[in-house]
Amino acid sequence: DAGVTQSPTHLIKTRGQQVTLRCSPKSGHDTVSWYQQALGQGPQFIFQYYEEEERQRGNFPDRFSGHQFPNYSSELNVNALLLGDSALYLCASSLGTGIDTQYFGPGTRLTVL
Amino acid sequence: DQQVKQNSPSLSVQEGRISILNCDYTNSMFDYFLWYKKYPAEGPTFLISISSIKDKNEDGRFTVFLNKSAKHLSLHIVPSQPGDSAVYFCAARIRGATNKLIFGTGTLLAVQP
Repeated sequence: DAGVTQSPTHLIKTRGQQVTLRCSPKSGHDTVSWYQQALGQGPQFIFQYYEEEERQRGNFPDRFSGHQFPNYSSELNVNALLLGDSALYLCASSLGTGIDTQYFGPGTRLTVL
Repeated sequence: DQQVKQNSPSLSVQEGRISILNCDYTNSMFDYFLWYKKYPAEGPTFLISISSIKDKNEDGRFTVFLNKSAKHLSLHIVPSQPGDSAVYFCAARIRGATNKLIFGTGTLLAVQP
């Protein structure tokens, strides 16, 4: 079992560009959540997808959007990148609301120049 | 507004001794608390959790204590091992918010051989 996988591992973009990050959940999981972890901070909840719909959202602007596919994989899109968007983006998957069994991927390190 | 606070950025203990990691919270609507461990280049890994209706939960070398009146959470590791060296995050869930977690900023634990 590969666990939660994320791609790419690292990414460098410039201000104003758009980026797409990808996540494949652990086998058997149907719920995907995305978190942003800035340097020296804890992860911050962006949103959660279940049954291809956004179910919950944290305090992030509309520039952050997502998608979940029928195979439960997910994408995080960020438009009009700002320097402050530089962070580690973590994807977590679970089966429904099984919070104790939420597995995190290794993350995508995004650097905005 | 930092609803979950870990005031100690780092902690160093000797192998075999007890490690105590602390966490304070401000939101009375939190109903579930979790501790995660994070190694470099990996995502956070679930360690142990506790419901707000309990005051203690134990799993092997790990025990979590919850003091609701003080809004304080602690993780005890006994005995500490060098492999426990990692960043530890406490996280909390708002009642009814399913998988949406609010994380602290983390404490770097170093266990010296």
